[in-house]
Amino acid sequence: DAKTTQPPSMDCAEGRAANLPCNHSTISGNEYVYWYRQIHSQGPQYIIHGLKNNETNEMASLIITEDRKSSTLILPHATLRDTAVYYCIVRVRTETSGSRLTFGEGTQLTVNP
Amino acid sequence: DVKVTQSSRYLVKRTGEKVFLECVQDMDHENMFWYRQDPGLGLRLIYFSYDVKMKEKGDIPEGYSVSREKKERFSLILESASTNQTSMYLCASSPGGAGGPREQYFGPGTRLTVT
Repeated sequence: DAKTTQPPSMDCAEGRAANLPCNHSTISGNEYVYWYRQIHSQGPQYIIHGLKNNETNEMASLIITEDRKSSTLILPHATLRDTAVYYCIVRVRTETSGSRLTFGEGTQLTVNP
Repeated sequence: DVKVTQSSRYLVKRTGEKVFLECVQDMDHENMFWYRQDPGLGLRLIYFSYDVKMKEKGDIPEGYSVSREKKERFSLILESASTNQTSMYLCASSPGGAGGPREQYFGPGTRLTVT
């Protein structure tokens, strides 16, 4: 799986958009970009994933650059409950079902009142 | 909503005890996983299962075993607990089948302390 690079920490004001970047310059054509987050003392939570096109769901938007070497997770209106560590993961498409998750250090997002 | 539950949030056991951690999911997912999470080491896969009675070793299986007798339940067993198994244990499940890696849904975690 491709390696990802994320800033260790970011701050955001409540109600503003939080834009979390991720670099994955060695991504290959069959690798997906996934985002998870982990609120302190809880299990990780799946947020969104994409391959080439931008994606949006009820939690967030995912913008993937045309060359796919980087992506940005956007929380459009951050709340205090969005304070968490956010993990960007690049995973290869496999034939088997048991594809593991490997979390790096992620980005600690702190949403301030 | 997918729900993954784990039998305990906090557990304290003595060295040498046999420890059972239970995980149940209610979404009929084929795949289930056991991870441990330690500061500075991230998430590490212990075992996973892609079907009933099937299991595969992850990255750190030593000292652990698993059991999956029913689709919804995946148990992690520490045969003889040791202090270096003090950790946060996380269970996850995901849909199976081909078509790319699927999102994983996690339980709340069990913080195990071995004294």
